[in-house]
Amino acid sequence: QQQVKQSPQSLIVQKGGISIINCAYENTAFDYFPWYQQFPGKGPALLIAIRPDVSEKKEGRFTISFNKSAKQFSLHIMDSQPGDSATYFCAASDGGGFKTIFGAGTRLFVKA
Amino acid sequence: GAVVSQHPSRVICKSGTSVKIECRSLDFQATTMFWYRQFPKKSLMLMATSNEGSKATYEQGVEKDKFLINHASLTLSTLTVTSAHPEDSSFYICSAPSYHSYNEQFFGPGTRLTVL
Repeated sequence: QQQVKQSPQSLIVQKGGISIINCAYENTAFDYFPWYQQFPGKGPALLIAIRPDVSEKKEGRFTISFNKSAKQFSLHIMDSQPGDSATYFCAASDGGGFKTIFGAGTRLFVKA
Repeated sequence: GAVVSQHPSRVICKSGTSVKIECRSLDFQATTMFWYRQFPKKSLMLMATSNEGSKATYEQGVEKDKFLINHASLTLSTLTVTSAHPEDSSFYICSAPSYHSYNEQFFGPGTRLTVL
């Protein structure tokens, strides 16, 4: 299975709050799990990524939690800011072909 | 990080015409590039894998005669939408993996195609 399932579809968070987006995958061959941020009319930009040999990765306000046994991973945005309002995509790829499969996306709106 | 450019950023064409979109890796070589299509408020759908020096690999359901891909050099891939129709209107995005950063994909800014 190549699918990557992402939830929620949309999310509204107060400024300063924590935004949490979840993803699940089925293909155990995936070995790279990036998160992308996309603003309207722009291409996606890599936010943070994790490999399955670690359970958590933190970069600034962004943290990925990874549960290999459950085949799930999530993005946490701490101290969410209005500038974080964008669409976030989780994704997965395997090292062989670099082909990246995207989740459906989550539209995040951070209220000022 | 590595930079991928696309040209044009926007194009409007008449139904029945062909449109070529360029994707360039500016500061690295890419033997493989990917083409995605994105409908409004939807996810990126992988259309095809562009391979330098060989034929592109198309995903299931993507018409190879409709979406012609040419990977002419290690820094350039082109997508030509042939005999475009209004339903081809979409946001087309390319990406290229950087072999310096294992698996990491660098995305272009996208091309908005509108077919009248």
